[in-house]
Amino acid sequence: DIQMTQSPSSLSASVGDRVTITCRASQSISSYLNWYQQKPGNAPKLLIYTASSLQSGVPSRFSGSGSGTDFSLTINNLQPEDFATYYCQQSFGALFTFGPGTKVDIK
Amino acid sequence: QVQLQESGPGLVKPSQTLSLTCTVSGGSISRSGSYWSWIRQHPGKGLEWIGYIYYSGSTYYNPSLKSRITISADTSKNQFSLKLSSVTAADTAVYYCARSSSWYGGNFDYWGQGTLVTVSS
Repeated sequence: DIQMTQSPSSLSASVGDRVTITCRASQSISSYLNWYQQKPGNAPKLLIYTASSLQSGVPSRFSGSGSGTDFSLTINNLQPEDFATYYCQQSFGALFTFGPGTKVDIK
Repeated sequence: QVQLQESGPGLVKPSQTLSLTCTVSGGSISRSGSYWSWIRQHPGKGLEWIGYIYYSGSTYYNPSLKSRITISADTSKNQFSLKLSSVTAADTAVYYCARSSSWYGGNFDYWGQGTLVTVSS
């Protein structure tokens, strides 16, 4: 199985900050990496697919980059509605796996 | 706009079979190229993909759960279902159904709201 790790596991930030979350795969996954946002009590929401493509309807302050084993999600000008948990997910192997999540809360 | 809705018992006794159904609206589960998955999230934990059924009816399961899972579809009702046998407290989780429009390189673009299943006597 392809294992996914994320760092940090949590972070505190203020409205207007720039935040970067990293995700690492246990082997190369090309660009087959997706990012999701999950708010308490809700299902995950797709933000970024194939590492850097913005899902329709997602604000442009969200961006993704990376390839191979190392990826990042950046949120520019953090907004109140962005406080949530973020998960990466690989779709390279037949068995899709998720990262453990990064919780972004208010400083 | 595809919408998914999970339904099923919220409480299951240990050793019994957990059964959930996902009803899909706004799109056909028989649509070419669609993969229909079950994903679970243990309380306060991360996400675990359980398995999928392809539009053609073929299935693929997470090897860690394979011996206990059956995913099936009822195209006449536009539903797909999950059966997880011999459940224990470790199967207590929120269960989501979700869609992928491809597998390798794909993503989960539509999700149900999730349903909490508690395993307890």
